[in-house]
Amino acid sequence: AQKVTQAQTEISVVEKEDVTLDCVYETRDTTYYLFWYKQPPSGELVFLIRRNSFDEQNEISGRYSWNFQKSTSSFNFTITASQVVDSAVYFCALSEAQNRDDKIIFGKGTRLHILP
Amino acid sequence: EPEVTQTPSHQVTQMGQEVILRCVPISNHLYFYWYRQILGQKVEFLVSFYNNEISEKSEIFDDQFSVERPDGSNFTLKIRSTKLEDSAMYFCASSYAGGANGDTEAFFGQGTRLTVV
Repeated sequence: AQKVTQAQTEISVVEKEDVTLDCVYETRDTTYYLFWYKQPPSGELVFLIRRNSFDEQNEISGRYSWNFQKSTSSFNFTITASQVVDSAVYFCALSEAQNRDDKIIFGKGTRLHILP
Repeated sequence: EPEVTQTPSHQVTQMGQEVILRCVPISNHLYFYWYRQILGQKVEFLVSFYNNEISEKSEIFDDQFSVERPDGSNFTLKIRSTKLEDSAMYFCASSYAGGANGDTEAFFGQGTRLTVV
């Protein structure tokens, strides 16, 4: 069974601080995909990253970085020098290759408040 | 860039009424999905659709729900007799290939906010 756990329900940090959002996943599949989505107050889901289970390289995109560790089944997301516009709910998600489709299982999300 | 579009962006309906949510998937995609997000909660998978039939559905997707691809472009979610607890954001998504069939991903629409009063 697939499961995604985001233990942090809500985080508040002051602008310009770094913040890390935790994600732990469970899957029996050897090939799977991990995602992060951002949901701003307007409600849409904004795709941030997709990571194949065979690619454990960490990724950096501007102020965003992701740390994928298969040994601990974690896929953590760090925002460096946070800005008020980063305030949103962030979802970690998982899709298994053994599925017939690209069904995605989401975590419960972490609500991030960036305080000015 | 191709995108998934959903209409309407917001729909208000009375309890007991039927409602149809519409989606236009990306044109060359073969797999279609509906997800639901009750306010303040996580995004939950409802159903996937491939080759004109349901591929997989969750326990949420009961007899009150149905999906259809009435023509070559639209993908709809019908709720037969809406209940207050159906109030949620509904997201449509599409992908080119599913799971082990290819290294693809699902693209999400902007969502339809359904309010049942």
